[in-house]
Amino acid sequence: QQKVQQSPESLIVPEGGMASLNCTSSDRNVDYFWWYRQHSGKSPKMLMSIFSNGEKEEGRFTVHLNKASLHTSLHIRDSQPSDSALYLCAAGDTNAYKVIFGKGTHLHVLP
Amino acid sequence: NAGVIQTPRHKVTGKGQEATLWCEPISGHSAVFWYRQTIVQGLEFLTYFRNQAPIDDSGMPKERFSAQMPNQSHSTLKIQSTQPQDSAVYLCASSLDWGVYEQYFGPGTRLTVL
Repeated sequence: QQKVQQSPESLIVPEGGMASLNCTSSDRNVDYFWWYRQHSGKSPKMLMSIFSNGEKEEGRFTVHLNKASLHTSLHIRDSQPSDSALYLCAAGDTNAYKVIFGKGTHLHVLP
Repeated sequence: NAGVIQTPRHKVTGKGQEATLWCEPISGHSAVFWYRQTIVQGLEFLTYFRNQAPIDDSGMPKERFSAQMPNQSHSTLKIQSTQPQDSAVYLCASSLDWGVYEQYFGPGTRLTVL
């Protein structure tokens, strides 16, 4: 079974709107998360990482992490058409030297 | 810094033929990962090297897939007797080390098995 679940599978938001993406790990040993963005025809590039409970903000992007529920979320405010991409969540288990990617959320920002 | 280099960018093989994919990680990076990406399965982990030593190959289909890292500047993924279901984009990534470091992905090799 998929150990990293992302929702929704697809998301459509208008330009200037807020996009909220979710990710949960079912592996209790996971201790850190990353968000990667993959534009069509390109390879994934890291957007943000988070290892501690709470919130981290970088420009229009905010990431939240709740380690107790192993849930992280990515919020994009003032969404732009250039934000349209596949957003991948990755969860890492330091002790097992393992990183698992979710299947991603396809974000479409309509101009 | 040229980033992670993968060759070839595209490869077409006939069913039953062998395919070898190459990856040159970023200089100074000690961790190298191989993934396979399809629309249906998403990004699947295949195998991982640290300081050239194989650490985890739990994602590799055992019978036909093999990976090596003979030196710190390149890694190869070999698929024997390719099958149509092996068609995918194969991505190589490297990171400074295992742990909290981000992975830098190469452009990928698109393998098509006819």
